[in-house]
Amino acid sequence: QKEVEQNSGPLSVPEGAIASLNCTYSDRGSQSFFWYRQYSGKSPELIMFIYSNGDKEDGRFTAQLNKASQYVSLLIRDSQPSDSATYLCAVNGDTGGFKTIFGAGTRLFVKA
Amino acid sequence: DVKVTQSSRYLVKRTGEKVFLECVQDMDHENMFWYRQDPGLGLRLIYFSYDVKMKEKGDIPEGYSVSREKKERFSLILESASTNQTSMYLCASSPSGTGQQFFGPGTRLTVL
Repeated sequence: QKEVEQNSGPLSVPEGAIASLNCTYSDRGSQSFFWYRQYSGKSPELIMFIYSNGDKEDGRFTAQLNKASQYVSLLIRDSQPSDSATYLCAVNGDTGGFKTIFGAGTRLFVKA
Repeated sequence: DVKVTQSSRYLVKRTGEKVFLECVQDMDHENMFWYRQDPGLGLRLIYFSYDVKMKEKGDIPEGYSVSREKKERFSLILESASTNQTSMYLCASSPSGTGQQFFGPGTRLTVL
């Protein structure tokens, strides 16, 4: 059974701090990795994707991938109260992009 | 911007009724997906489609069927609704080979 594991949280950080969200996956053949943000009562929104080892930065967000350790992380710099949401890690193991496995999500709370 | 729309935001049905949930995307994406999301269980794939008239079972297809007669439209059918199908249903579309999924707003279905 392929799995994606996340700490459910809640992770609480003060405004302006760095929030670090982590995810591990079981399928060593996984090829693409995603982070989705889901506000309460809303649908998930894709915010980052990463396909190769290393870091990928987009504004205040940095995704980090370590395939050897089967570990993906999302850093949010200068956290804002509007970042308070559930963050879903997702991993895709097939080249067609069909079978994506989602983690259960980490709830992030940014205190003003 | 990718736009994925779903036919209803909220739906209340009775046990045994046939239920149709419709999803339309406007970005000419090849792949479309139906998920259900339940507290503590995360997102679970019901069915996906990679082309018109093509469909594949996901992880929890029992009690559901799908139809994709046009590229932009993917329908989920509950043949005989049961109370354990009360859930949030999310449709997503994805360009072929990317794994990046774009979600609709969701339909919260309650089966009484």
